[in-house]
Amino acid sequence: NAGVTQTPKFRVLKTGQSMTLLCAQDMNHEYMYWYRQDPGMGLRLIHYSVGEGTTAKGEVPDGYNVSRLKKQNFLLGLESAAPSQTSVYFCASSQQTSGRSEQYFGPGTRLTVT
Amino acid sequence: EDQVTQSPEALRLQEGESSSLNCSYTVSGLRGLFWYRQDPGKGPEFLFTLYSAGEEKEKERLKATLTKKESFLHITAPKPEDSATYLCAVDTGRRALTFGSGTRLQVQP
Repeated sequence: NAGVTQTPKFRVLKTGQSMTLLCAQDMNHEYMYWYRQDPGMGLRLIHYSVGEGTTAKGEVPDGYNVSRLKKQNFLLGLESAAPSQTSVYFCASSQQTSGRSEQYFGPGTRLTVT
Repeated sequence: EDQVTQSPEALRLQEGESSSLNCSYTVSGLRGLFWYRQDPGKGPEFLFTLYSAGEEKEKERLKATLTKKESFLHITAPKPEDSATYLCAVDTGRRALTFGSGTRLQVQP
């Protein structure tokens, strides 16, 4: 039981390049989330999904897109990376809406945009 | 707007020196308050959920309490392995969790 996994673990991009971060969970959870974590700012929600085929905007969605074609996978895309997107990205999943069950987090992806 | 403030930002303790971390919140309708532990280079790990004022939960040397305005994470006789960043988060039924910026705890032997 791997829980929540993220690929890649590290990535360096140049401004304007694109990339996709992959999150996978093997717990059959309905809800999945993408956060970014910056020093002194805590975790901020980018996008989330309440089930296969659904996505919704979080607190800081600009510059990111997401897709949830399969229940177990949640993809985060950066179409044209900017230095302001340098951050650590965490994916999480939960069985029920966040107030009723804990979220399980992946190990994170450290992204640097130069 | 929901706000979560954690204090102190950093705390250094000697092994065995008990202390408390604070999480104060301003929300319109709390559905749950969560405590997570985060080790360097890793994702947050769930510790506790508290749902109503007066509720308490314990796990080993950690005890979480909740009032109508704040939550405390009490650490009794900490050990070096308790060193981590402790995150507090609230759920108000809107979207997902709102996190505080965390307290970095260092326990020295």
